[in-house]
Amino acid sequence: DAGITQSPRHKVTETGTPVTLRCHQTENHRYMYWYRQDPGHGLRLIHYSYGVKDTDKGEVSDGYSVSRSKTEDFLLTLESATSSQTSVYFCAISEVQSGINTGELFFGEGSRLTVL
Amino acid sequence: GQQLNQSPQSMFIQEGEDVSMNCTSSSIFNTWLWYKQDPGEGPVLLIALYKAGELTSNGRLTAQFGITRKDSFLNISASIPSDVGIYFCAGQANFGNEKLTFGTGTRLTIIP
Repeated sequence: DAGITQSPRHKVTETGTPVTLRCHQTENHRYMYWYRQDPGHGLRLIHYSYGVKDTDKGEVSDGYSVSRSKTEDFLLTLESATSSQTSVYFCAISEVQSGINTGELFFGEGSRLTVL
Repeated sequence: GQQLNQSPQSMFIQEGEDVSMNCTSSSIFNTWLWYKQDPGEGPVLLIALYKAGELTSNGRLTAQFGITRKDSFLNISASIPSDVGIYFCAGQANFGNEKLTFGTGTRLTIIP
C-alpha cells in the first residue's frame, strides 16, 4: 500500500468553474504524477512532480496546472473546466531505487470528474 | 510522442483458458511494465521488466521483454474469474526517466 489518497473521489461541476483535485501521500515519495483516463486512450500524463515546487508537463497539460508546496500533497487545478475535461483522474507515485526512478508506479483510486 | 500499440483491444475467453496479449512500439524502451486495472480502481503493477530478453513470472502471469526492445508480451495461464479487468502495458524510454508511456489496454472478459 503506497498510502495514496485522492479527493474528491467524485465531482460534478459546470463549464467554466475552477476545480482542484488533491493527491496526498504518506510515504515521502519524491515523484508524483497526475494522469487522466479516457476510453480508447488509456492513461495519459498531465503533469508530474519530481520534488517540492519542481513540476513538469506531460503530454496533455493544456488547461491544467499543478502545485506541490510540500512533499505529501500534489494538487491538480482546472482553472476553467470544460466538458472535454470530463474524465477519471489518477494520481500516482513512483518507486525510487538507489536514487533512480524505476518507473514502477503506484496509483490512487481515482477521481471521477464530470463537467456539464 | 511515443506510442504503444496494445493488442488485442478485448478478449472473451472461458475460465481455464490461457491468455496472450502484446504491446509493440516504433521506438525502443528500456523498461517494460504490465498493470492490471479492476473496475472502479487504479491500475496495479503486475510485472516489471528491465532487460531485453528477460522472462519474468508472477504466479500464473508471465511477461517477456522483447529482444528488439520494441515489444513485450504478457501471458496468463489457466484463467480464473478474478483475472477479469483491463491490462495495460507501459514503457519507460530510459531507466530513471520520469515518464511512462501507456498502451490503450486489453479488456479481458471471462464467459461463464
